[in-house]
Amino acid sequence: QKEVEQDPGPLSVPEGAIVSLNCTYSNSAFQYFMWYRQYSRKGPELLMYTYSSGNKEDGRFTAQVDKSSKYISLFIRDSQPSDSATYLCALQAGANNLFFGTGTRLTVIP
Amino acid sequence: DAGVTQSPTHLIKTRGQQVTLRCSPKSGHDTVSWYQQALGQGPQFIFQYYEEEERQRGNFPDRFSGHQFPNYSSELNVNALLLGDSALYLCASSLGGLDTGELFFGEGSRLTVL
Repeated sequence: QKEVEQDPGPLSVPEGAIVSLNCTYSNSAFQYFMWYRQYSRKGPELLMYTYSSGNKEDGRFTAQVDKSSKYISLFIRDSQPSDSATYLCALQAGANNLFFGTGTRLTVIP
Repeated sequence: DAGVTQSPTHLIKTRGQQVTLRCSPKSGHDTVSWYQQALGQGPQFIFQYYEEEERQRGNFPDRFSGHQFPNYSSELNVNALLLGDSALYLCASSLGGLDTGELFFGEGSRLTVL
């Protein structure tokens, strides 16, 4: 079993839709939860960073963490064509390396 | 403010050869981590350098080695290349280790092994 499971998609939505991206994990030691966005042929860029259960909002993006279910989500409201990218969840246990999901490829259709 | 820079951006090697990839961290950062991202996969941790020493290592063979210089820049060396080493190699910088998880990535070096 992988440390982090993420549906690879691909996911296609119309412009303006609400997008839900999810990851599950098995190791309860994970304390820090991140979402990265990766455009084609580019490096990942940090979108959201949380360290506790609950919601964190930043503009059109909301990160949600449920430690009891070992489930994290990223919601994108009013999706735009510029949001088309691969979204990677990443988890960290203390001062250790990041464990990434496989990434979900999202396309927002104008 | 310069972000993380990597070189070269693309390179092609043949099996058995050796390759060196280079990384300059974001200004003010002192820690460099290297990740391997195979096509369609998430990045996998190779190792991390801090204070010119390898501080952590992922599940990669000894063919993968690295170095950090006094100016915090870093190199990744891969010996005896295999076809399976074809991937995007990402360098990420941070400050003082991975405690916060706020890694800043470069655009990567895409290695093709023929």
